[in-house]
Amino acid sequence: DVKVTQSSRYLVKRTGEKVFLECVQDMDHENMFWYRQDPGLGLRLIYFSYDVKMKEKGDIPEGYSVSREKKERFSLILESASTNQTSMYLCASSLTAGNTIYFGEGSWLTVV
Amino acid sequence: KQEVTQIPAALSVPEGENLVLNCSFTDSAIYNLQWFRQDPGKGLTSLLLIQSSQREQTSGRLNASLDKSSGRSTLYIAASQPGDSATYLCAVKNQGGKLIFGQGTELSVKP
Repeated sequence: DVKVTQSSRYLVKRTGEKVFLECVQDMDHENMFWYRQDPGLGLRLIYFSYDVKMKEKGDIPEGYSVSREKKERFSLILESASTNQTSMYLCASSLTAGNTIYFGEGSWLTVV
Repeated sequence: KQEVTQIPAALSVPEGENLVLNCSFTDSAIYNLQWFRQDPGKGLTSLLLIQSSQREQTSGRLNASLDKSSGRSTLYIAASQPGDSATYLCAVKNQGGKLIFGQGTELSVKP
């Protein structure tokens, strides 16, 4: 089975802190994604990556950056956390663009 | 801009009923469509993936259909069970590679 692992399930951070959310997949997938999910707004794409060291902006990249130094790992970085970034963050991966997308369990981030 | 709509937002049925969840999209130039299930507080579990050239996919009690020309997909669940209670989301992948989600249908199957 494909496994997408998000290392932190629940985090509480202070405004202005730098936050790292880590995601690892174990199936040699090319594509990786970061979404956030908010009530009433659904899932929104923050960033995605089609290859190592490659990244593309999604629909809401402001306030976020990403890093993909190795194929299996895709990190989401909040440079200076703000309260409006309180959300559930979901990482996903797929073998290629046309294949099934698999999601991690999610990371609940609260910024106070 | 692609928009994905799921109606109804919530559905409650008695156990054993067959049911249909609907998904519509505005741009028919899609790459594929995927149905997911999400349990409260959890990530998404992939149920079925339909490529743009396909009409339907089946897995167990689930059957998903795709009609690109009308911009519609349905997820049919046969003989529903309380364990099917969850939020069901559809998502379309456009030609640019982005996956765009609907808001989901929250299903409750009553024993």
